[in-house]
Amino acid sequence: QKEVEQNSGPLSVPEGAIASLNCTYSDRGSQSFFWYRQYSGKSPELIMFIYSNGDKEDGRFTAQLNKASQYVSLLIRDSQPSDSATYLCAVRGGTGRRALTFGSGTRLQVQP
Amino acid sequence: DADVTQTPRNRITKTGKRIMLECSQTKGHDRMYWYRQDPGLGLRLIYYSFDVKDINKGEISDGYSVSRQAQAKFSLSLESAIPNQTALYFCATSLGGQGSDTQYFGPGTRLTVL
Repeated sequence: QKEVEQNSGPLSVPEGAIASLNCTYSDRGSQSFFWYRQYSGKSPELIMFIYSNGDKEDGRFTAQLNKASQYVSLLIRDSQPSDSATYLCAVRGGTGRRALTFGSGTRLQVQP
Repeated sequence: DADVTQTPRNRITKTGKRIMLECSQTKGHDRMYWYRQDPGLGLRLIYYSFDVKDINKGEISDGYSVSRQAQAKFSLSLESAIPNQTALYFCATSLGGQGSDTQYFGPGTRLTVL
């Protein structure tokens, strides 16, 4: 079992719709959770992070964390073609785990 | 100016050659990281350093070595390059301490080993 799992996609949504990206993790002691966006051939850029159960909103983006289910998601409202990219979930583990573990990413396609 | 820079941006080399990838940062961060990215495999951690005297292996360190020359510089070496080290390599930095310890990435180096 991978430590951080994401569906590779592609996830295709029409412009203006809500895109829902999901990530599960295996380390129950994980403390911090990050979403990065990566355009093809470019470096990952941080969208947002979350470390408390519940929702965290930033503009069109909402991160949702459920530690009991070991599940973190990213919602993108009013999706735009410019949101088409690969979205990487990253997790910082519990005590003794000091670096991030990345999922393999979900490719999102927003259709005009 | 970019906060995290990587040189070279592209490199083609031959099997058996020694190659060094360099990373510099002006963010004043203590922590630096090297990742490689292969299609479908996401980012995998090679080495990380939490300060000049703290170097740690990541999940795929075999065939690689690193040097933290200063707070701002972290180099990755391939002692004898092999074709399966062909990948996109990213350097990242983070502040450390309390809080999110968000990582910020350089632009990447595309390495091809023939």
